[in-house]
Amino acid sequence: KAGVTQTPRYLIKTRGQQVTLSCSPISGHRSVSWYQQTPGQGLQFLFEYFSETQRNKGNFPGRFSGRQFSNSRSEMNVSTLELGDSALYLCASSGHEGGKLFFGSGTQLSVL
Amino acid sequence: GESVGLHLPTLSVQEGDNSIINCAYSNSASDYFIWYKQESGKGPQFIIDIRSNMDKRQGQRVTVLLNKTVKHLSLQIAATQPGDSAVYFCAENIGGRTSYDKVIFGPGTSLSVIP
Repeated sequence: KAGVTQTPRYLIKTRGQQVTLSCSPISGHRSVSWYQQTPGQGLQFLFEYFSETQRNKGNFPGRFSGRQFSNSRSEMNVSTLELGDSALYLCASSGHEGGKLFFGSGTQLSVL
Repeated sequence: GESVGLHLPTLSVQEGDNSIINCAYSNSASDYFIWYKQESGKGPQFIIDIRSNMDKRQGQRVTVLLNKTVKHLSLQIAATQPGDSAVYFCAENIGGRTSYDKVIFGPGTSLSVIP
C-alpha cells in the first residue's frame, strides 16, 4: 500500500505570494490532518478534514486554509506569505484507528 | 498555533543500554496517546500507542507507560541501537475516540545513541 504523498517536496516563495501544497492520503483513509513544523515551535496542528469537511482547526490565522476532495486528497493554501511561514508542512492520514497518524515526508517551504 | 513548549530536551545513551523518554500531556480528557519517531528528513513515524483504559503496553523493544493521575507518559526502549537515534514525540488525541482527530504533539526529545 502506498504511503502518504506530499508535493512538492521543496518550495521557495517570496513574501506576499501564496502557495498551495498537496497531499494524497493512504488509500482508504478518509481523515487528513495538516501540521506545521518549525525548530522553535515544534509540530503545530493546522486542521483536520474528514469526508471533505473540516472537523477541527488549530490556532492559525485565516491566511491558512485547506480543503479536501471527494477522493480524500487534500490541499492547503497559505496566502500573503510571511517570513515566519517558513517551515516543514506535514500531512498525515488516518483510517479507522482515529488518531493513529501516518505522515508524509512533508513540504519544506522557504519564504524569502 | 497550539504547542506544548519550545525546548527540545536531549538524551544520550550508550548502545545496548535502555532508554527512557518522558512526556507530560495537557488534557485530562484525552483518551488516546501515541509515540512517534522522526528521523532527519522524514515525517514522524508511529511507534506505539496506548488507550486511557490501560497503563502499560509493550511492543517490540518498546514499552509505553501511562500515568493518568499525573498526566505522564513514558517510552522505554530496550537495548538501544544506533538506528534509534531520532527525535521522539509523544502525542495525545484530544478529539476523542468517537470524535474528530485532533492530535497534539509534545515538544519532542532528541535521542542520541553512542556506539
